[in-house]
Amino acid sequence: EIVMTQSPATLSVSPGERATLSCRASQSVSSNLAWYQQKPGQAPRLLIYAASTRATGIPARFSGGGSRTEFTLTISSLQSEDFAVYYCQQYNDWPRGTFGGGTKVEIK
Amino acid sequence: EVQLVESGGGLGQPGGSLRLSCAASGFTFSNYAMTWVRQAPGQGLEWVSAVSGNGDNTYYADSVKGRFTISRDNSKNTLYLQMSNLRAEDTALYYCAKGVPPPDYWGQGTLVTVSS
Repeated sequence: EIVMTQSPATLSVSPGERATLSCRASQSVSSNLAWYQQKPGQAPRLLIYAASTRATGIPARFSGGGSRTEFTLTISSLQSEDFAVYYCQQYNDWPRGTFGGGTKVEIK
Repeated sequence: EVQLVESGGGLGQPGGSLRLSCAASGFTFSNYAMTWVRQAPGQGLEWVSAVSGNGDNTYYADSVKGRFTISRDNSKNTLYLQMSNLRAEDTALYYCAKGVPPPDYWGQGTLVTVSS
């Protein structure tokens, strides 16, 4: 099983600042990596797929990068609605798709 | 508009059974694989199971293999998860999600609590 590790567990950021989240795979997943945002009491929302492609309706301040085992999600200027938990998911061993443990982005 | 509405959750006894349903609308259901993902209280996301668009191929996480069965009825646009031999660690919010991979639309979930 491919293990996904996210860091940090919690990221404290001020509104307007840049946030960079990391996701590491235990083996190469090529570019088969997605990012989700989850707010309290809501279902996850797809942000990024194929490591760097924004899903429909996702603002340009969200960007994804990386390949093989190292990936990042960058939020260029944090808005109040961006404070949430973010998960990465690999889908290289489709249809199994293991998730990382999540990064909580909180207000500093 | 894509809609996924889960139902069937509730209190289950250890060793007992529950069947979850997910009613889909707003897209051609039979064209898409479907997935179940669960989230234990205060925890992260765990992929549980997936089924191909025609229902012929099914896939399971090791944690539920042999106990859960995924199926679908394309004539009713409905996805199912039959859960048997329930354990306390199956307590979670269960989401159905469209498309593999990666899931692009998710329902709001149905809560399963396993307790005596």
